[in-house]
This record gives sequence, structure tokens and C-alpha cells, in this order.
Amino acid sequence: DAGVIQSPRHEVTEMGQEVTLRCKPISGHNSLFWYRQTMMRGLELLIYFNNNVPIDDSGMPEDRFSAKMPNASFSTLKIQPSEPRDSAVYFCASSFRGLGTEAFFGQGTRLTVV
Amino acid sequence: GESVGLHLPTLSVQEGDNSIINCAYSNSASDYFIWYKQESGKGPQFIIDIRSNMDKRQGQRVTVLLNKTVKHLSLQIAATQPGDSAVYFCAESTANQAGTALIFGKGTTLSVSS
Repeated sequence: DAGVIQSPRHEVTEMGQEVTLRCKPISGHNSLFWYRQTMMRGLELLIYFNNNVPIDDSGMPEDRFSAKMPNASFSTLKIQPSEPRDSAVYFCASSFRGLGTEAFFGQGTRLTVV
Repeated sequence: GESVGLHLPTLSVQEGDNSIINCAYSNSASDYFIWYKQESGKGPQFIIDIRSNMDKRQGQRVTVLLNKTVKHLSLQIAATQPGDSAVYFCAESTANQAGTALIFGKGTTLSVSS
């Protein structure tokens, strides 16, 4: 398995633009997580899905952030409009709850909003 | 709110020494703990996990100790190598019907000199 695949790896955008981050979880996994990593705040959980259903989105910072999981093999995290303070590395992770709760992470998307 | 935290932000050791990275957690309901390693430009990578019904678990060159009385977790790395240089995170979760989400501490940087 190729692991969790995220795209793009790097994104530079201007303030006010819409940004869409994409994630393909490991096949067979039924939980998917979006995290944001910054030096100041570390790894923050934004939202997680179980069986394609959002379970907890309390970590989503503002209404500008939204996440979807239309099927078991794809998820998006959208920021509209983007702001410079959204600059961070965004990670997607997936897990198969039946085997424990270890989460496998993608390589991340480094977002820079200028 | 309750959170996972780390005692030391940086640990410097000599190659061949044993390393001990510590973690304190405050959520007494947490029943699953993981240590992750994150190298520069990559996503967190699973090292070892432990459930609350255990107090010690060993892997290859790594040992995790769990002290539920004082809510303390540690990662011991034997014969530390330059390739062990990375940021190490502890994470906790609480099992529930809908799945679990890992909550991360801020990380400890391990620097190994040869």
C-alpha cells in the first residue's frame, strides 16, 4: 500500500483565495483525521471522520474551514477565504479502528498564505 | 481543558547513549498512548504504543513505560543512533464507539551527536 497520500505537497496562495487540500486514506481504513501543525501550537486535531461521517469538528478554527469525505477513499479540507495565519503544515491520517487506534500519517501539505 | 504535555523541549545525547523522553498527560480517562517520531519534512511515524492495562512494552531498541498513578509516559531508546534524531511526540486517546482521535503533545527534539 502506498500509505496515506496527500496533495499538493506545497501550496502558496494569496490571502483571500480558496485553498483545497486533498487526502487519500489507506484502503480499508475507516477513520480519517485532519491535523494542523505549527511551531507555536504543535499538532492540532481539526476534524475526524468515521465511516465517512464527521464525528468531531470542534477543532476546526473558524467557519472559513470545511472538510468533506464523499467516499471512503477521498477527503478534502477547504479554506475559504485563506488568511496568512492559516499558514501551517496540514496532515491527513487514517486508521482502522478494529486493529487499534494507531493512525498512519501522510507526508503533509505545507500551506503558505501571503 | 485536559491535554498532553511534554517536560523538555530538547534533548541532546551522544551516539550510543540511552535516551529517555518524558511525557505527562492529564486526562485520566485516556486508555491508549502512542509515541511518534517525526523527521524533518515528513509526517509523524509510529514507534510504539501501550494500553492502560499495561505499564511497560518493549520494541526494537525502544521501551515505553506508563505510570498511571502520576499520569506519566516515557520513551526509552537504547544505544541511540544519529538516525534517531527527530522530534518525538506522545499522543493519547480514549476509546469510544465512534472511533478515537489522537491528541498530541507539543514534542521533544532529540539531537544525537556522533
